[in-house]
Amino acid sequence: DGGITQSPKYLFRKEGQNVTLSCEQNLNHDAMYWYRQDPGQGLRLIYYSQIVNDFQKGDIAEGYSVSREKKESFPLTVTSAQKNPTAFYLCASSWTITDTQYFGPGTRLTVL
Amino acid sequence: AQKITQTQPGMFVQEKEAVTLDCTYDTSDPSYGLFWYKQPSSGEMIFLIYQGSYDQQNATEGRYSLNFQKARKSANLVISASQLGDSAMYFCAMREGLSGNQFYFGTGTSLTVIP
Repeated sequence: DGGITQSPKYLFRKEGQNVTLSCEQNLNHDAMYWYRQDPGQGLRLIYYSQIVNDFQKGDIAEGYSVSREKKESFPLTVTSAQKNPTAFYLCASSWTITDTQYFGPGTRLTVL
Repeated sequence: AQKITQTQPGMFVQEKEAVTLDCTYDTSDPSYGLFWYKQPSSGEMIFLIYQGSYDQQNATEGRYSLNFQKARKSANLVISASQLGDSAMYFCAMREGLSGNQFYFGTGTSLTVIP
């Protein structure tokens, strides 16, 4: 089955620790994205990548980092510099930057 | 100014009836795309329907149709014959131009289908 997987579904971390969220897709899409969703809000773009070894900051990149070493993988690291990391994180992919984005099931991160 | 505005925080509809979810957008770029996504309580965003700015006809996908009124900058989602499984959050989104960081989401509308 083709799709986007995110793991884990729920993640708990202590304040001050870095944490990495996984995103994998087997759709052969070139573009991948990370969004953050807070309660009662829409999605806000953290980072996006058009091709392997390239990525760009979105609207709220501070305190986050990404890598794109493989086409199918786009992990997101939430660093200790992110002041309010507790949120729902969604990964998406699309054929190109202008095509429809398809989303993974999300990871709910709680920082204690 | 907000790029995407959804003015209905919550909507109720009787099962088997049709419902319209409102969305207005703001852009001066002639090239843009409009999307609707459904987010059930599980959290996953499910793509429903797409309308391009140059498309002449309103998009339809099964029970979903997009009422695209370009001059009014509105892109309302119409769900016909509502089902209990349609209960979810619905988000309108816009891709503005040809750059990856110009993708905007509205704040969503919560739809509840009543048996």
